[in-house]
Order: sequence, then C-alpha cells, then structure tokens
Amino acid sequence: ETGVTQSPTHLIKTRGQQVTLRCSSQSGHNTVSWYQQALGQGPQFIFQYYREEENGRGNFPPRFSGLQFPNYSSELNVNALELDDSALYLCASSLATTGGLPEAFFGQGTRLTVV
Amino acid sequence: AQRVTQPEKLLSVFKGAPVELKCNYSYSGSPELFWYVQYSRQRLQLLLRHISRESIKGFTADLNKGETSFHLKKPFAQEEDSAMYYCALKTGSARQLTFGSGTQLTVLP
Repeated sequence: ETGVTQSPTHLIKTRGQQVTLRCSSQSGHNTVSWYQQALGQGPQFIFQYYREEENGRGNFPPRFSGLQFPNYSSELNVNALELDDSALYLCASSLATTGGLPEAFFGQGTRLTVV
Repeated sequence: AQRVTQPEKLLSVFKGAPVELKCNYSYSGSPELFWYVQYSRQRLQLLLRHISRESIKGFTADLNKGETSFHLKKPFAQEEDSAMYYCALKTGSARQLTFGSGTQLTVLP
C-alpha cells in the first residue's frame, strides 16, 4: 500500500464553479504530478511540482492551477468548470534525485463530475 | 510529438494461454518505457520498466526501437492477471508519463 492519499474521493460540481482537489504525497517524496483520466482513456499529464515550483505542464488551460506546500502536499485547482472536466484526477508522487526521476506512486484518484 | 498507442481496448485469453499486449510509441528522443497495471478497485501501479529488463509476475517486455514497440508478454496467463494495462513513455522536461489508452485483459477460466 503506497502512502499517496487524495481527497475527496468523489465530488459533484456545477458548471462554472471552482474546485480544489488535494493530495498528500508519500513520505519523503519531493515531486508531485497531476493527471486527468477521462472515461476510457489513459491518464493525461496536467502539471508537475518540484520543491513548490511548477516544473512542467501539459496541454491544459490556465484555469487548471496547482500548489505544492513545504510538507510536499499538493492541491489542484480548476476554475470555471466545464462539463468536459468530468474525469478521474490522479496524483502521483516521486523522489527526484540528481540521477533522475524514479517510479511514480499514484493515489486512488478523485472522481469529479461536472453537471 | 510523443504518442503511445495500444491498439486493443479489450483482450480475452484462456487461463494457461500466452498473452501479448501491444504497445507502439512515437518519440524522437531516447525512449524510456513502462507498463502500469490497475487491478479492480486498486490504484495504478508500476508493473515493469524497460531499463530494468526484469520479469515481474511472469511478464516481460522488450523494447524494439526498430519497430518502436514495447509489447508486454506472458507465456501462461493466470486469472489474477485480469486487469487494465497501460503502456507509458517518459518524456518532457518534467519527465512526465505519456500514457496509452489502455488494454483491459480478461483471463477466462
């Protein structure tokens, strides 16, 4: 059992609202990545944070934003929700070293439904 | 741009039969490839990575740069192998994962 936990597990929001999803990284991990997984698709990279700074971003609009805190927990914020934002949101943590970025450990995900 | 293709959404085999899950990739750099697995009601987890050249739970995968493939194979499938399998390519400045759309493997008794 990995130590990556996400909250909440399920969430229903109305179009136009804002949402915050939370992730607690595995102990000792300094890097967190967020992925969006639409139904029937593989996870798609949103962005990554390393030591509280955004370290890379996928093809997502600015209304998707994030934060990483000193304890390496993380938030994903989505503004002006659209129906197509309905998906499973995955958080993955890892420990970046000078040797590279090893295995990412995934949380169980937050299922967001926008109505 | 990088891309990972898993041509089969669904794959069914009988217990004891060989299984091969196909994965093709498109990437201009030196590829680093992975297979992730998601068992029913469990989280996504790493199965194996090509740089380790390992066999996990009887599964192996060989990187074929000429065919840009990284197919996952097991000689004798077991019912507990039933799961969703994702092929993934590590790319980008953040070394993020680009996933395929997944193959749902069902091993029949």
